[in-house]
Parts: sequence; C-alpha cells; structure tokens
Amino acid sequence: DAGVTQSPTHLIKTRGQHVTLRCSPISGHKSVSWYQQVLGQGPQFIFQYYEKEERGRGNFPDRFSARQFPNYSSELNVNALLLGDSALYLCASSLFRTQGHTEAFFGQGTRLTVV
Amino acid sequence: AQRVTQPEKLLSVFKGAPVELKCNYSYSGSPELFWYVQYSRQRLQLLLRHISRESIKGFTADLNKGETSFHLKKPFAQEEDSAMYYCALSYSGGGADGLTFGKGTHLIIQP
Repeated sequence: DAGVTQSPTHLIKTRGQHVTLRCSPISGHKSVSWYQQVLGQGPQFIFQYYEKEERGRGNFPDRFSARQFPNYSSELNVNALLLGDSALYLCASSLFRTQGHTEAFFGQGTRLTVV
Repeated sequence: AQRVTQPEKLLSVFKGAPVELKCNYSYSGSPELFWYVQYSRQRLQLLLRHISRESIKGFTADLNKGETSFHLKKPFAQEEDSAMYYCALSYSGGGADGLTFGKGTHLIIQP
C-alpha cells in the first residue's frame, strides 16, 4: 500500500482563481480529513469526511469546500484564491469511530502557491 | 475553543542528554492528546498517544490534567531523534474527529 496519496504535489495559481486538490486514502480507511499548514505553523483542521458526509469543519471561510466519493477519495476545492491561501495542504485518512480518535495517516501534501 | 501551545520553536541538545519538549493545552472537555513527528523529507506520523501509555522510540509523555500539560520526554537523546515534533489534541464531538496542532518544536540533536 502506497499510503495516502495526494495530487498534485505542487501548484501555482493566480489570485481569484479556483483550485482542486485530490486525495486517495489508505485502502480500508473510510474517513478523510484536510489540513492547511502555513509556513512556520502546525497543521490547521479544515474538514473531515466520512461516508461521503461532512462530519467536522474547522474555522475556514465558505470559499473552502470538499467532497468525498464512493471510493472514499476526496477533493478539496478553494474558490477566489487569496495570497494567504498559500500553504501546504495535507490530507489524512483514518478508520472512523463515533467516540475517540483513531490514528491519522498523512499524505505528503500539496504545496499551493498563490501569486 | 481548544488550543495547544508549544513554547519552544527550536530545541537543541547534545546526544546522550535528556530531552523534554513542552506542550500545554486548553480544552473544556476530556481531551485526547498526541505527539506527531515529522522527520526530514518524511510524512507527518503519529509518535504516541496518551491513552496508550506506552514508550515509543524511548519517548514517553504523561498527561497532567491539573497542569493541562502533555510534555514529551526522553532520557538520552539520539541523533536520529532530530525532527519536527507537534503536540495535538483531538476533540471528538458530534462525530467529528479533527486534530488541533501546536506550532511545533524543531528538535536538533548535536553529536
């Protein structure tokens, strides 16, 4: 198993554009979470999806959206890009429990640069 | 709102010396605390979690609810311990399972 895979690895976009980032979870994992990591900071939680439904959302504007597909892969979409959206976007997959946290396995991330 | 504080951005110690990476948290509920590690050119990965109460790679961490701390310790540092360390808190509410991370501590072990 290759682990969590994300594409693309690097991306450069212009302010105002839209971007779609993709994530494939580890086989058997049904939960996918997205994090934003700005340089010098820890990852910040954006979304969690399980069984194609949003289960949790961090403090991000509506320009950020995501979805999960029947094969449990996921897309993160960001509209009307701002310079401040430049960051490393991490995807993590995990098993899912209604109580307690399960180990999150992270991908290598997508480095987004907005110019 | 939950918060995780790692006061040291950089910690440099000599090989064989004890290591302590500090982590304090604020959370109104019953927290689950974790340490994640990122070695150079590798993915972020789980090092240990407080509920398992185990030692991983010689590291231990005890949850102190009175002091709201979850410091990571190792009695004798090794060069391969050099990495970025993140303390994280899980807030499992309403089925959500997100992690709140601290800003991280860059640990450098000098030979």
